[in-house]
Amino acid sequence: SQTIHQWPATLVQPVGSPLSLECTVEGTSNPNLYWYRQAAGRGLQLLFYSVGIGQISSEVPQNLSASRPQDRQFILSSKKLLLSDSGFYLCAWSVGLAETYEQYFGPGTRLTVT
Amino acid sequence: GQNIDQPTEMTATEGAIVQINCTYQTSGFNGLFWYQQHAGEAPTFLSYNVLDGLEEKGRFSSFLSRSKGYSYLLLKELQMKDSASYLCAVRDSGGYNKLIFGAGTRLAVHP
Repeated sequence: SQTIHQWPATLVQPVGSPLSLECTVEGTSNPNLYWYRQAAGRGLQLLFYSVGIGQISSEVPQNLSASRPQDRQFILSSKKLLLSDSGFYLCAWSVGLAETYEQYFGPGTRLTVT
Repeated sequence: GQNIDQPTEMTATEGAIVQINCTYQTSGFNGLFWYQQHAGEAPTFLSYNVLDGLEEKGRFSSFLSRSKGYSYLLLKELQMKDSASYLCAVRDSGGYNKLIFGAGTRLAVHP
């Protein structure tokens, strides 16, 4: 069966510090991968998606970047965090190159920028 | 533009039926999803509609009208554990299985 992991679960970082969040998927190959952010009491905003190694598409201009160094690894980064980067970050995957309908979400990382 | 509207909050009584509405105006459409999200947790998939009509899955049903840009999620025999946020999401027609989410409806079930 497929599983998705995210770490860390919670993170408190000062403004201006760097960020690295990691997501890994097990039990599937060549998945589509997604990064979302959810502000308090809000819906999910798609930040990045990837259909293959090294292929990253950005949905909104922002202070963040993403990378996919391996097939089942997706990393969200920032060089200098802003207060507005606080939120609940969710990684998700779906089966690539197939008629599929669900995205499966990881447990999330709650980031607080102080 | 992309616009998905849901009520912000709803309350209901244990054992009752509740209907959560979602209207959408998106540049593309390739299906509509409902997800459940308990506080502090990840969303979990509930239902998917791509054709007009009703899809039933146990206590949960979802309806879609593409001509009206409208969907609803129907929850029957409500239980306390159904207290959660319910997220409506439209699948973009541009490929890559991209989802556009509404802000979610927070449902409180009380005894």
